[in-house]
Amino acid sequence: GQNIDQPTEMTATEGAIVQINCTYQTSGFNGLFWYQQHAGEAPTFLSYNVLDGLEEKGRFSSFLSRSKGYSYLLLKELQMKDSASYLCAARSGNTPLVFGKGTRLSVIA
Amino acid sequence: DTEVTQTPKHLVMGMTNKKSLKCEQHMGHRAMYWYKQKAKKPPELMFVYSYEKLSINESVPSRFSPECPNSSLLNLHLHALQPEDSALYLCASSQVRVTGVEGYTFGSGTRLTVV
Repeated sequence: GQNIDQPTEMTATEGAIVQINCTYQTSGFNGLFWYQQHAGEAPTFLSYNVLDGLEEKGRFSSFLSRSKGYSYLLLKELQMKDSASYLCAARSGNTPLVFGKGTRLSVIA
Repeated sequence: DTEVTQTPKHLVMGMTNKKSLKCEQHMGHRAMYWYKQKAKKPPELMFVYSYEKLSINESVPSRFSPECPNSSLLNLHLHALQPEDSALYLCASSQVRVTGVEGYTFGSGTRLTVV
């Protein structure tokens, strides 16, 4: 089976940087995904890591350490519209994605 | 076309009703998924279709009946649901073997309320 853990809630200030951590335990690891989901809307793909290291995409970056079963999503220059849930999802082999419980991020002025 | 389209967006149904949720994609994806999401919870996998064949059923009650009539369409037939089945139902699609940055593409969901 798989076990994915991430904080339930975080609060950060507009313009700041926030790091959302995710730890996972899975056999046959085949990629770590981050999705953003605004309330009542579909999850939207943010990033994918399968090799160790940092992937940068504009204001968002994602890091993976396979040996530690650890990933983080880094959001820079926070904007109010970044208030959303951030879902960490791991893939084992070619099985469907399993999502963590999600981290609800609130960006305050 | 890079979208997954779900209809209806909202549905209210009684416990004796029969209704269907529809999902359509034209990205050439041959894997399609139904997820159920309760408020403040992550999406939970219900069914997976691969090459139009049911490949995974996560022990979903028989009152939910999936159907994949062709490679672009995925339906979820609902019958005799319970109030606790009220949730956001998400459809997603992907390549059968997900590689690189593709991930899954999700539809905007159907908000289902069972009364």
